[in-house]
Amino acid sequence: DAKTTQPTSMDCAEGRAANLPCNHSTISGNEYVYWYRQIHSQGPQYIIHGLKNNETNEMASLIITEDRKSSTLILPHATLRDTAVYYCIVSSYSGAGSYQLTFGKGTKLSVIP
Amino acid sequence: GAGVSQTPSNKVTEKGKYVELRCDPISGHTALYWYRQSLGQGPEFLIYFQGTGAADDSGLPNDRFFAVRPEGSVSTLKIQRTERGDSAVYLCASSLNRGANYGYTFGSGTRLTVV
Repeated sequence: DAKTTQPTSMDCAEGRAANLPCNHSTISGNEYVYWYRQIHSQGPQYIIHGLKNNETNEMASLIITEDRKSSTLILPHATLRDTAVYYCIVSSYSGAGSYQLTFGKGTKLSVIP
Repeated sequence: GAGVSQTPSNKVTEKGKYVELRCDPISGHTALYWYRQSLGQGPEFLIYFQGTGAADDSGLPNDRFFAVRPEGSVSTLKIQRTERGDSAVYLCASSLNRGANYGYTFGSGTRLTVV
């Protein structure tokens, strides 16, 4: 089962910042938070990941609370092309040498013109 | 290649038939994953390869599903005696390594329809 909770859907005005929340209250100390997005009819696309420090790249920023029980993905200037399903994932060690990504249903972000 | 390539992009088959789905990972990526995505759901883990060996096949739903990666690069997902419930998008992903600090790159998937 997914270890994260996300809102089912969100709207954001074009050009504004999109802030997507995620709760992961049972996260363990060595588990990473990953964000992926999936645009219709495409495979999921990696956005960003972090352990405990805030992270920023050319796509987005990831803010992780100090207790690591929640995080927020920030798209600073949303465009229509950012309309997608956004998945917040806590990686879990599968015990077989791999860190498995377990996807939930994600948040459907609609960017409105 | 520049990305993960999956073929075919679409496959329609009759119930009871055998199908093979192919995945070409990014060159040099040792880890390869198969996921399945049903309509309206997030991707569901099937199997993970590290090199040639299946390190974790705990997500395969039953023994009709099998996957191979004989030379540690291309992988084939094989489904025997297909059922209508197998209809889904089958996604392949690869990563440079198996550690937690490596993101996956996904292909565009194969849409399988069993009629």
